[in-house]
Amino acid sequence: TQLLEQSPQFLSIQEGENLTVYCNSSSVFSSLQWYRQEPGEGPVLLVTVVTGGEVKKLKRLTFQFGDARKDSSLHITAAQPGDTGLYLCAGGTNAGKSTFGDGTTLTVKP
Amino acid sequence: EAGVAQSPRYKIIEKRQSVAFWCNPISGHATLYWYQQILGQGPKLLIQFQNNGVVDDSQLPKDRFSAERLKGVDSTLKIQPAKLEDSAVYLCASSLTGGSSYNSPLHFGNGTRLTVT
Repeated sequence: TQLLEQSPQFLSIQEGENLTVYCNSSSVFSSLQWYRQEPGEGPVLLVTVVTGGEVKKLKRLTFQFGDARKDSSLHITAAQPGDTGLYLCAGGTNAGKSTFGDGTTLTVKP
Repeated sequence: EAGVAQSPRYKIIEKRQSVAFWCNPISGHATLYWYQQILGQGPKLLIQFQNNGVVDDSQLPKDRFSAERLKGVDSTLKIQPAKLEDSAVYLCASSLTGGSSYNSPLHFGNGTRLTVT
């Protein structure tokens, strides 16, 4: 069974601060996705990374895939209250299966 | 494009009762997934369909859970009889081909929140 561990489990910061959350596994994945989920809604895809060492930027969000394709990080610059939510990472296999971590719950206070 | 539709949004039942959830995926999406998300955890795959065939149901508790995908489009997930530990959000997702690839991401519905008392 491929497991993804996310840390920290909870994070509460003030508006304007920077933060990094992590997604780690002992398994190699063909791709890794980051999702954000708000209360009462389904997860929404933020980004997919497929190449070891890949870095992608989405406005104030920076995603990095580890060189060995086992881990990933999400960095948010100057967090805003609208960034509040549950951030989930999911590792993908060539068979089309996604395994999710348990997420990081981020709260950004105004 | 219209998103993944799920109903009902909420359901409260007593243990040992039965319940069914319905999902309509995005038009043209061949792959459909049912996930269970317990409070405080990430989604856990229950079953994956490719068109109307089952690709992966290894995590589906088959003694009480069943699922079908009608004509490769809509899908229903049934629990009979329900247990207290089945309380969770049941998420349906679809993808164009097989999910988790760069060109075929998962699209989720808003889920059905089930409470078993």
